[in-house]
Amino acid sequence: DTAVSQTPKYLVTQMGNDKSIKCEQNLGHDTMYWYKQDSKKFLKIMFSYNNKELIINETVPNRFSPKSPDKAHLNLHINSLELGDSAVYFCASSQDLRTVNEKLFFGSGTQLSVL
Amino acid sequence: AQSVAQPEDQVNVAEGNPLTVKCTYSVSGNPYLFWYVQYPNRGLQFLLKYITGDNLVKGSYGFEAEFNKSQTSFHLKKPSALVSDSALYFCAVRGMFSGGYNKLIFGAGTRLAVHP
Repeated sequence: DTAVSQTPKYLVTQMGNDKSIKCEQNLGHDTMYWYKQDSKKFLKIMFSYNNKELIINETVPNRFSPKSPDKAHLNLHINSLELGDSAVYFCASSQDLRTVNEKLFFGSGTQLSVL
Repeated sequence: AQSVAQPEDQVNVAEGNPLTVKCTYSVSGNPYLFWYVQYPNRGLQFLLKYITGDNLVKGSYGFEAEFNKSQTSFHLKKPSALVSDSALYFCAVRGMFSGGYNKLIFGAGTRLAVHP
């Protein structure tokens, strides 16, 4: 069983559209994240949720809205897509955001291409 | 503010030779350091971490990393490289966020190319 799974794997869409990426973890973790990896492979945290509560919001445009219906799911909805949103988006989870030595488990990524 | 730097975009090494991927860090307080590996079209996978204790940390796939406080470095090493080690390697440091929560801050990544 895949520990952290995200769908879709690829997403190609036009500028101005609205799209969603879904993420689910079956590890029983309390904390989930969204990371963005740009074309130069730089990886930056976007959001973190702990037990369905938003903890980290790293100055992401409000066109990006995460939603956590329960602690096993963290979805990412993006409104009015722009060319600069093209990237690979990774979902991740960890047991507890407050534990310093926690390791993250990553999904395999969603490659978003905005045309 | 916490940060990590990976000075090399790419490291090339011949199979069977030792490899080193460099990382330096900047933190206030105790450093909590990590290495992750990303294979093509995959998410990042945890390799190893340094929290406290021995300066030489052993991890997955035969990798190890040496914590050097005086040089603020945490270089990733392997005695004998394999072609299958070719991947993107990320160094990371645990940063503190408001409210006592942690977040991982990643370096820019280093591409390791092992050739036969």
